[in-house]
Amino acid sequence: KAGVTQTPRYLIKTRGQQVTLSCSPISGHRSVSWYQQTPGQGLQFLFEYFSETQRNKGNFPGRFSGRQFSNSRSEMNVSTLELGDSALYLCASSTSSGGAYEQYFGPGTRLTVT
Amino acid sequence: DAKTTQPPSMDCAEGRAANLPCNHSTISGNEYVYWYRQIHSQGPQYIIHGLKNNETNEMASLIITEDRKSSTLILPHATLRDTAVYYCIVRAGNSNTGNQFYFGTGTSLTVIP
Repeated sequence: KAGVTQTPRYLIKTRGQQVTLSCSPISGHRSVSWYQQTPGQGLQFLFEYFSETQRNKGNFPGRFSGRQFSNSRSEMNVSTLELGDSALYLCASSTSSGGAYEQYFGPGTRLTVT
Repeated sequence: DAKTTQPPSMDCAEGRAANLPCNHSTISGNEYVYWYRQIHSQGPQYIIHGLKNNETNEMASLIITEDRKSSTLILPHATLRDTAVYYCIVRAGNSNTGNQFYFGTGTSLTVIP
C-alpha cells in the first residue's frame, strides 16, 4: 500500500497570505489528523477528521481550518499567515477513530512564512 | 497542558538495551500511552501502545507501572538505525468523542557504536 502523501512538500509564503495543504491518507483509512511541529512548541495537535466530520480540535486560532472529502482526502487551510506559522505540518491517517488507533504519518509539508 | 515528561537526551551502546522513561502522572483511566519515533524530521513512526498491561511487539516492549503514572519503552538490542527522537504520547478520547494525541517533548536517543 502507498503511504500517506502530503503536497506540497515545501512552501514559502508571505505574511498575510493564505495557504492550503493537502493530505491523501492510506487507502481504506477514514480518519485523518493534522499536527504542527515547531522547534519551540514541538508537536501539537490541530484537528481530527473522520467520515468528513471534524471530531476534535486542538488549541489553535480560527485562522486554522480543515476539511475532509468523501474519499477521505483532507486539506487544511491557514489564513492571514503569521511568521509564527512557519512549521512542519504533518498529516496522519488511521483506519478508524477508535480501537488501536495506530496513526501513520506522512512526510509533512514544510511551510516558511516570510 | 503537557501530559508527558521525558528526559531530553540519552545515549545507548550499540547492541545493548535502550530504556526510555516517560512520566505521565496525570493520565486518566481510559487514556492510552503511545510511543512514536521521528528520524531527521520525517513523519513520526509508530512503535507500540498500551493501556494497563505490558506490551511487546517486534520492535519494542512497553512497561507500564501499576499506577499507570509512568512507563518505559525498551528497545532490546539497539542499533545505529534506532538513533532518533522518541515521543511518549497520551491519547485522549475515543471513537465517540474524537481523539487527541498529546505529544511530549521527546527524548533524543543516540546509539553509539
